[in-house]
Amino acid sequence: TQLLEQSPQFLSIQEGENLTVYCNSSSVFSSLQWYRQEPGEGPVLLVTVVTGGEVKKLKRLTFQFGDARKDSSLHITAAQPGDTGLYLCALEGGSQGNLIFGKGTKLSVKP
Amino acid sequence: SQTIHQWPATLVQPVGSPLSLECTVEGTSNPNLYWYRQAAGRGLQLLFYSVGIGQISSEVPQNLSASRPQDRQFILSSKKLLLSDSGFYLCAWSRDINQPQHFGDGTRLSIL
Repeated sequence: TQLLEQSPQFLSIQEGENLTVYCNSSSVFSSLQWYRQEPGEGPVLLVTVVTGGEVKKLKRLTFQFGDARKDSSLHITAAQPGDTGLYLCALEGGSQGNLIFGKGTKLSVKP
Repeated sequence: SQTIHQWPATLVQPVGSPLSLECTVEGTSNPNLYWYRQAAGRGLQLLFYSVGIGQISSEVPQNLSASRPQDRQFILSSKKLLLSDSGFYLCAWSRDINQPQHFGDGTRLSIL
């Protein structure tokens, strides 16, 4: 079974700062998904990356897929309090091809 | 568009009581359905998944069971709840086994 690690576990920053969170796998994967979860709600899909070296932008969020297809990063520019939440990455690697999720990075953006 | 409904939103149950959480999906047919448990706002642990009516796969041995009586209905049950069953339970659906998943708003279960 693939192992999926996210870092940092916790991140607390001030509004307007930039940040990067990481997702690393123990082995190569075919695609990776990023989700954001707000307290008391279910995760919401942000993006899927499938090609090594791929970069996708979603407003102030930039997602990058590593060339070796073993890692991904999420960069947020000029963070806002509305970005607060748990950021989860997930990839195909469980039994029967199910998704496995990382433990997430808990982001707090203070005004 | 597709929607997923999960209820109740919160539930407080005594130890030893039964449990039934329901999840329904609208706007799609033959979805893959999933039950997860999330501890302390952290990672998701897959409990059960289903690729069709009456087809249930269990990922971890536990005090819980799941059923899929209809195409778009997924039920999580227990005959006797344990303190360790407390947590945040999430239902999700996807078009295929490794495709993006769409989650309900979760049920916060507290066992007293």
